[in-house]
Amino acid sequence: EAEVAQSPRYKITEKSQAVAFWCDPISGHATLYWYRQILGQGPELLVQFQDESVVDDSQLPKDRFSAERLKGVDSTLKIQPAELGDSAMYLCASSVDPNTGELFFGEGSRLTVL
Amino acid sequence: GQQLNQSPQSMFIQEGEDVSMNCTSSSIFNTWLWYKQDPGEGPVLLIALYKAGELTSNGRLTAQFGITRKDSFLNISASIPSDVGIYFCAGPESGTYKYIFGTGTRLKVLA
Repeated sequence: EAEVAQSPRYKITEKSQAVAFWCDPISGHATLYWYRQILGQGPELLVQFQDESVVDDSQLPKDRFSAERLKGVDSTLKIQPAELGDSAMYLCASSVDPNTGELFFGEGSRLTVL
Repeated sequence: GQQLNQSPQSMFIQEGEDVSMNCTSSSIFNTWLWYKQDPGEGPVLLIALYKAGELTSNGRLTAQFGITRKDSFLNISASIPSDVGIYFCAGPESGTYKYIFGTGTRLKVLA
């Protein structure tokens, strides 16, 4: 069964360092989402792509976060510099038809900032 | 922006019991979704609802799209240990495919 692949699974870094997360969606899924999930809370949308274009990044802290999906397939989410409050699970999801609401999530990348 | 509030926040039940949880919003949603998240994993879609009043089942799970379009309910019958996890409601912000998630209901099943 096709899955959304994410790496790394775990990342520990010191504040002010740069971190990057990678996501490979299910083949053929044009819509890709990056969510941040703080422990004990629901996922919060950071950025949404349709193919290579950003559809929504209103909740992305653009002073330190960036996201790209250059060829409309895999995507990278970067944080520079990392802050203590960035400690969270970063979830990538993809959808073949966002109208259905069926988002397929990866296992996530858990970030700890020391 | 729109927000989704879930209750209860957490539940401890005995195996075999039925469970009910709900999700409410101050604004209208045209789609209601219920996801389950196991520890250390990403959420998985359980049920999708697309019409006010709709009642949909998936095995032991039944969900309803509230008539007012401002709420939804999820019921689990005859709970089993593998039902443990966090249940999230979700829906698209008005006029978008920007899916927002609720605060979650954490379920624990005691054998």
